[in-house]
Amino acid sequence: ETGVTQSPTHLIKTRGQQVTLRCSSQSGHNTVSWYQQALGQGPQFIFQYYREEENGRGNFPPRFSGLQFPNYSSELNVNALELDDSALYLCASRWGQNGADTQYFGPGTRLTVL
Amino acid sequence: SQQGEEDPQALSIQEGENATMNCSYKTSINNLQWYRQNSGRGLVHLILIRSNEREKHSGRLRVTLDTSKKSSSLLITASRAADTASYFCATVQTGANNLFFGTGTRLTVIP
Repeated sequence: ETGVTQSPTHLIKTRGQQVTLRCSSQSGHNTVSWYQQALGQGPQFIFQYYREEENGRGNFPPRFSGLQFPNYSSELNVNALELDDSALYLCASRWGQNGADTQYFGPGTRLTVL
Repeated sequence: SQQGEEDPQALSIQEGENATMNCSYKTSINNLQWYRQNSGRGLVHLILIRSNEREKHSGRLRVTLDTSKKSSSLLITASRAADTASYFCATVQTGANNLFFGTGTRLTVIP
């Protein structure tokens, strides 16, 4: 157990809809990152939040957006869902924004877009 | 896009044997990390090796890093059926603060 939780576990949406995924960080962690993992692939970095500010973003369009709250929990929002958005979405938390710090991953949310 | 490649893509061994997985990457790095993933669920951090280190051990795990060849290897000794999982290497590029993952190796340990 990493102390990082995600909800929901599974989600089914249709193309064009919007979705919100949630992540609760490990206690004391002020940085959260989100990753998308397509079937059979390694995770790909979406973005990172440090103390409620986005401070890094991967190659994902603006319809992927996020929030980090004062208690350091986080949300990933995806608008105008596309079939290719079907994937496992992982969040990871850590103390500090240093890339050398160990990241602790949640169990993920599996999103299916029909 | 993925940072690197892992080799082999799949590996099947008998319990008790050693398993070796290789990872290659493309850019200069701050550190390299290995993760394990069971059945498409969350990633579990196994070990981190910094760019100025060449070898690191943790229990049955041994990791090597060759920055001149931009490659790393993960050795799992005396494998167990419970080691069956996908293993990913991930790098933190110099100046970055996020992980770039490889494509993964699917390890099956046969009891």
